[in-house]
Amino acid sequence: AQTVTQSQPEMSVQEAETVTLSCTYDTSESDYYLFWYKQPPSRQMILVIRQEAYKQQNATENRFSVNFQKAAKSFSLKISDSQLGDAAMYFCAYMRGAGSYQLTFGKGTKLSVIP
Amino acid sequence: EPEVTQTPSHQVTQMGQEVILRCVPISNHLYFYWYRQILGQKVEFLVSFYNNEISEKSEIFDDQFSVERPDGSNFTLKIRSTKLEDSAMYFCASAFAPRGKLFFGSGTQLSVL
Repeated sequence: AQTVTQSQPEMSVQEAETVTLSCTYDTSESDYYLFWYKQPPSRQMILVIRQEAYKQQNATENRFSVNFQKAAKSFSLKISDSQLGDAAMYFCAYMRGAGSYQLTFGKGTKLSVIP
Repeated sequence: EPEVTQTPSHQVTQMGQEVILRCVPISNHLYFYWYRQILGQKVEFLVSFYNNEISEKSEIFDDQFSVERPDGSNFTLKIRSTKLEDSAMYFCASAFAPRGKLFFGSGTQLSVL
């Protein structure tokens, strides 16, 4: 079974600074997808960024980028120029490339942004 | 941006009662899901639904749970006889493609007393 580990229960960052959230996963599959979801206090899950494992290029969405290290099974999220609205729970998630469409989530990292 | 709508936002019920959680997915989406999040724990997959049938379900989704898409717009999760441990936030989600962007609703907080 696949597992997703987020080793940082809480992180904080100064406004306008950069922060990196860690995620590792365990899988025997070669084809899969990785995601970062944001859950603000409203509790709605919002997709931040998506990475296909077969793509070597790291995904980027505006201020959000990932460092995908397939051999190390690592998928970290970098938030640049942090804003107050970035404060939320961040969940790393995994989806198999075939045979299943379910997301397996990590336990999450609570990010605080300090003004 | 289109939204997935869930009702009610909060539901309180007595143990043993039946509850129905309702969701309106985004209109052109084809894949539908239910996830749940027990307070302080990770989000867990319950079930996926495609082409009017369950395509995948987790061990959590036992005989007490059922899903239905009764009218082509609503997507419901029914729990026949609620237990205390069913207390959680239940999220509905939909997607046009199964490995694409998954849109989540704001959730229904279910409290079983």
